[in-house]
Amino acid sequence: DAKTTQPNSMESNEEEPVHLPCNHSTISGTDYIHWYRQLPSQGPEYVIHGLTSNVNNRMASLAIAEDRKSSTLILHRATLRDAAVYYCIPTKHGNTPLVFGKGTRLSVIA
Amino acid sequence: EAGVAQSPRYKIIEKRQSVAFWCNPISGHATLYWYQQILGQGPKLLIQFQNNGVVDDSQLPKDRFSAERLKGVDSTLKIQPAKLEDSAVYLCASSTWAGTRWMEQYFGPGTRLTVT
Repeated sequence: DAKTTQPNSMESNEEEPVHLPCNHSTISGTDYIHWYRQLPSQGPEYVIHGLTSNVNNRMASLAIAEDRKSSTLILHRATLRDAAVYYCIPTKHGNTPLVFGKGTRLSVIA
Repeated sequence: EAGVAQSPRYKIIEKRQSVAFWCNPISGHATLYWYQQILGQGPKLLIQFQNNGVVDDSQLPKDRFSAERLKGVDSTLKIQPAKLEDSAVYLCASSTWAGTRWMEQYFGPGTRLTVT
């Protein structure tokens, strides 16, 4: 499994953009980059995933470096509801378990 | 669409007692996972089922933990006897093939176990 490095914590003001970085320098060529988040007292929830190209969905955008050794999850306008632990998880895109690190705890200030 | 259901939400037991957790995945999801999340850490896989067969139980402490998924739908995770270090949140997740790709995993709210 690829090793990931994420900041322990980050802080953002409400309605400001947030860029959450992840370093995954040992990622294999077939690993997708998945992001999940875990709100307080809830199970993790899927946010977004990508392989090489940048990806957008209704929740966030994912920017993947050209060498795929790092990626950035972008929340365009943080809300209080986005306060959570965000996990970056390189994994085979298939029926495989997720290997979670410690993630980044995002705090959003009103 | 109903989500992954788990019960109970909270359980407090004394060490050496036994406990069981129940999970009902999203309807039609063939793959079911049980994860253990110790406070301050990310979830860690305990066991993966595909229908009613075990795919991966390499990280399940088999001397005290057991899991089953009869009929390929609901699943039960049991701990007997419990130790203090088993205090954690036990998360169930499910997934399925969506025709062209595997879907993301959907997680339940978890069962918080406290062993005293």
